Amino acid sequence: DQQVKQNSPSLSVQEGRISILNCDYTNSMFDYFLWYKKYPAEGPTFLISISSIKDKNEDGRFTVFLNKSAKHLSLHIVPSQPGDSAVYFCAARGSGSARQLTFGSGTQLTVLP
Amino acid sequence: NAGVTQTPKFQVLKTGQSMTLQCAQDMNHNSMYWYRQDPGMGLRLIYYSASEGTTDKGEVPNGYNVSRLNKREFSLRLESAAPSQTSVYFCASSVLGTGANVLTFGAGSRLTVL
Repeated sequence: DQQVKQNSPSLSVQEGRISILNCDYTNSMFDYFLWYKKYPAEGPTFLISISSIKDKNEDGRFTVFLNKSAKHLSLHIVPSQPGDSAVYFCAARGSGSARQLTFGSGTQLTVLP
Repeated sequence: NAGVTQTPKFQVLKTGQSMTLQCAQDMNHNSMYWYRQDPGMGLRLIYYSASEGTTDKGEVPNGYNVSRLNKREFSLRLESAAPSQTSVYFCASSVLGTGANVLTFGAGSRLTVL
């Protein structure tokens, strides 16, 4: 049973427009949520995170929104750039001894010039 | 700064062969992790080590063993490789404390089992 779900395998957006990537989770014990970006043949790199006690966190062009009642988070990228084309993973921090992260299946974002 | 280094980058095995994936980090992180990435499945946790001297099973530990050799190194061993273990393997590390537990990942090791 997937505890973190990304239901859109792919998303295409025009350069300069907004990209919205979505993520749903089922475990109400998750206390932090993170977004990672992954380019081909590289490891995932951290993008932005949000604590479960907040509903928004912003870092430059990237904003993450958290709706705890709906168990839903989204990543907004404004404006989108061709270099943003990558696979985006959402992840949730659990309460185990290593606070291990549970990842979603990823969304391939393509930003068209 | 090398960050997290994984070796080898590529490996082809025959069913039943064994091999060890090596991982080392130079960031003085206390926690280390092994994930596998498969199409449509995202990243799934195989084993983790919260601190030197401890290891625990993750979501998909069957067919694997790990060793936390010291604070820097965390290896993943396949004793008898199976085609289902064909995957891309990522090692990661973090400073375990308060906060989001941001993982730093290596570049990955692509393993094919024939």
